[in-house]
Amino acid sequence: NAGVTQTPKFQVLKTGQSMTLQCAQDMNHNSMYWYRQDPGMGLRLIYYSASEGTTDKGEVPNGYNVSRLNKREFSLRLESAAPSQTSVYFCASSTGTPLHEQFFGPGTRLTVL
Amino acid sequence: AQSVSQHNHHVILSEAASLELGCNYSYGGTVNLFWYVQYPGQHLQLLLKYFSGDPLVKGIKGFEAEFIKSKFSFNLRKPSVQWSDTAEYFCAVPNQAGTALIFGKGTTLSVSS
Repeated sequence: NAGVTQTPKFQVLKTGQSMTLQCAQDMNHNSMYWYRQDPGMGLRLIYYSASEGTTDKGEVPNGYNVSRLNKREFSLRLESAAPSQTSVYFCASSTGTPLHEQFFGPGTRLTVL
Repeated sequence: AQSVSQHNHHVILSEAASLELGCNYSYGGTVNLFWYVQYPGQHLQLLLKYFSGDPLVKGIKGFEAEFIKSKFSFNLRKPSVQWSDTAEYFCAVPNQAGTALIFGKGTTLSVSS
């Protein structure tokens, strides 16, 4: 099992550019999550998907959109990148509710100039 | 609303020293508490969790945490740290809807050999 995979690992964007971060899991998990990690801020939830076909906003959703393409894949899109979105982005998945262990991907380090 | 706070931002210890990292929570419902760890260059992984029962929870790599309801605390402990314990540690609680985790800001542990 590959677990949770994310692409790309690194990305540099200019302000105003768009991009999509990809996430896939092969553990047949129902729930998937997108977090951003910033120094001194911990992890903050951007969006989550409790099951295929559903998505909900987390703590910091502004400037992002998500798509739960199927049970395996959950993508995060930045329509018009801003320097404030410079961060490390983590995707995670869990069997059901977050009371179950969340499994994290390796992260995408994004820099917006 | 649920929240979690970690008081120590950066802890520096020598090998064999004892460790205690603080975590306090505010939570309106059934208490479920987690500690996650992120080793340098790696993704987050579950260290231990508390759902119910014995308030002293044992996790991987010799870590333990004690749930003290009267103090709203779930401190992480290890009797003797090793250089390989150098990592960032996050305390987490479920959000009010039980659909995602709220993470603390993290504590960076540096262990010198």
